[in-house]
Order: sequence, then C-alpha cells, then structure tokens
Amino acid sequence: EADIYQTPRYLVIGTGKKITLECSQTMGHDKMYWYQQDPGMELHLIHYSYGVNSTEKGDLSSESTVSRIRTEHFPLTLESARPSHTSQYLCASSEGGGGNTIYFGEGSWLTVV
Amino acid sequence: DQQVKQNSPSLSVQEGRISILNCDYTNSMFDYFLWYKKYPAEGPTFLISISSIKDKNEDGRFTVFLNKSAKHLSLHIVPSQPGDSAVYFCAASGYYGGSQGNLIFGKGTKLSVKP
Repeated sequence: EADIYQTPRYLVIGTGKKITLECSQTMGHDKMYWYQQDPGMELHLIHYSYGVNSTEKGDLSSESTVSRIRTEHFPLTLESARPSHTSQYLCASSEGGGGNTIYFGEGSWLTVV
Repeated sequence: DQQVKQNSPSLSVQEGRISILNCDYTNSMFDYFLWYKKYPAEGPTFLISISSIKDKNEDGRFTVFLNKSAKHLSLHIVPSQPGDSAVYFCAASGYYGGSQGNLIFGKGTKLSVKP
C-alpha cells in the first residue's frame, strides 16, 4: 500500500493568488511525479523528478513549477492562479522509471474563481 | 495522437458476471502495462500489471491479458461486484526516445456493476 499524501484535498481560490500544493511520500522513492486530470480525460504528466535537485517537465505544458529539496517532498506551485488552472492534481511516486509501478496520492482538487 | 486508447468510455455489467475492459496501444516500444482503478474524489489505485514477456497475469478476481501482436490488452474482473464500479485506466511505459520510462495513460473506462 502506498504512503503518499497530498494537501490540501480541496481548494477554492481567487484569480491571481499564489498557491502551493504539497506532496509527501514515506516510501523513500526516488522518482516523483505530478499529473493533471480534467474530468473524463486522461491523466497528463506535467512534472517529474528523478531525485533531490532534479525536476523535469512532462508531456503537458504547465505554468506550474516544482521543487525537490528533500527526497520525500515534491511541492507544486502556481504563482498566479487562473480559472484555466481548475483541475485535479495528482502526485505520485515510484522506485524508478519504466517497469516500476507508480503509486498515487489522493489528489488535490483546485478550483480558481 | 493518443498512444494508449480505451475506446469504450463506459461499460455496464450485472453483479456476478464478467467485466472485460479493453485497451489498445500504438507504440511497439511499450514493455510494461498497468491497470488503475479510480473513484471520483480519489487518486488512482494500482490494480495489476504485466510485462511484455508475459501474456497473462492473474491476481484474485483480476486477470490481465496481453496480445503483443495486436497491441491489445484487456482486464477481466470475475465475478464483478458493485464495489468495482469506478473508472479504470490503462497505462503503458517503455524506454524509447525521450520517454524516460514515464507512464502514458488512456482516457479511462467507467465501469458500472449493477446489483
């Protein structure tokens, strides 16, 4: 069973606000990911990290940024939220890359009004 | 262009019967395939996986079949239970080009199991 935690679970904020979505895992996994999913659509990879001080952009372009200062922590930040950022954001981790199962947190639902 | 396709957006099955969820992929470099289950307000939960060296993997009520020549995999749930009602995502990965082994997901199939 995965031990990966996301906060907040639900957030409603006004346009132009800065937000940080927190993600922590206790499994010691090197690789971490952020996916974005709109209802009825596939999950799109927006950021990933191989380990401390490593961050890479995913397949879907995103205005968000991430950091990886500690192995267990992979926060995502939006400097100025817009209604187009309304979505579900899913954090995940795995021991390594291909051939490894990734485990997801419960997700953060962001609504920008 | 979608590399992982789940062509059935929804599936309805009677409790106790078999549920068969299908997934097609286009990239022959994929060598690892997974199924996830997702409830509306939660993150995806890993169900079962299969590597390309196998054609079948079984775990309790869940069996995944892989047909590499057809680039097709399926998830069988027997017997289906109302608690299985969720969205099921197929995902695939492989090392090629700039993929970095990251998972590519399909759009999901919503399974409804009726009592």
